[in-house]
Amino acid sequence: LAKTTQPISMDSYEGQEVNITCSHNNIATNDYITWYQQFPSQGPRFIIQGYKTKVTNEVASLFIPADRKSSTLSLPRVSLSDTAVYYCLVWNTNAGKSTFGDGTTLTVKP
Amino acid sequence: NAGVTQTPKFQVLKTGQSMTLQCAQDMNHEYMSWYRQDPGMGLRLIHYSVGAGITDQGEVPNGYNVSRSTTEDFPLRLLSAAPSQTSVYFCASSIDRGLYEQYFGPGTRLTVT
Repeated sequence: LAKTTQPISMDSYEGQEVNITCSHNNIATNDYITWYQQFPSQGPRFIIQGYKTKVTNEVASLFIPADRKSSTLSLPRVSLSDTAVYYCLVWNTNAGKSTFGDGTTLTVKP
Repeated sequence: NAGVTQTPKFQVLKTGQSMTLQCAQDMNHEYMSWYRQDPGMGLRLIHYSVGAGITDQGEVPNGYNVSRSTTEDFPLRLLSAAPSQTSVYFCASSIDRGLYEQYFGPGTRLTVT
């Protein structure tokens, strides 16, 4: 399973765009990049998933370059409620499993 | 539609005791998994199942057993609890092993003394 590397923490202010980058150098052909959000004392919640180029949904965008060795989660105009831990994981569709890294703690300040 | 439910929410065990953490989902999902999360750390996969009657090991399977006799239920058994198993345990489910999001339960906080 491909390992992922993310920054341990990031700070931002309300209304700013936040970009969290994840490195996954050993990504395989059948792997998909997936991001989850976790609040204290709760289970993770799915944000977005992609294979290459750009994926956008109502809460985030995911940018994946052609070599797929990294990805960037973009959160537009964050609010205080976006303060959470964000996990990047590489989902292996053959094995049906993945490894969560240690995540990025995002703190949004007023 | 309750989603993924886990019981109990909290549990304290003495070293050497055994117990079963319950997990159930009502979404007819084929894929279910168990993770543990130690303080300040990410989630580590313990066991997973791609369907009833099929289970496989994740990253940290030692000390845990699972079975999947129905689509809905995926219990996790601790055979002989150790302090190193103090953690928060999350159960998750998804439509199948493919490209679908996992839905996580609220977690069970286990302390082994």
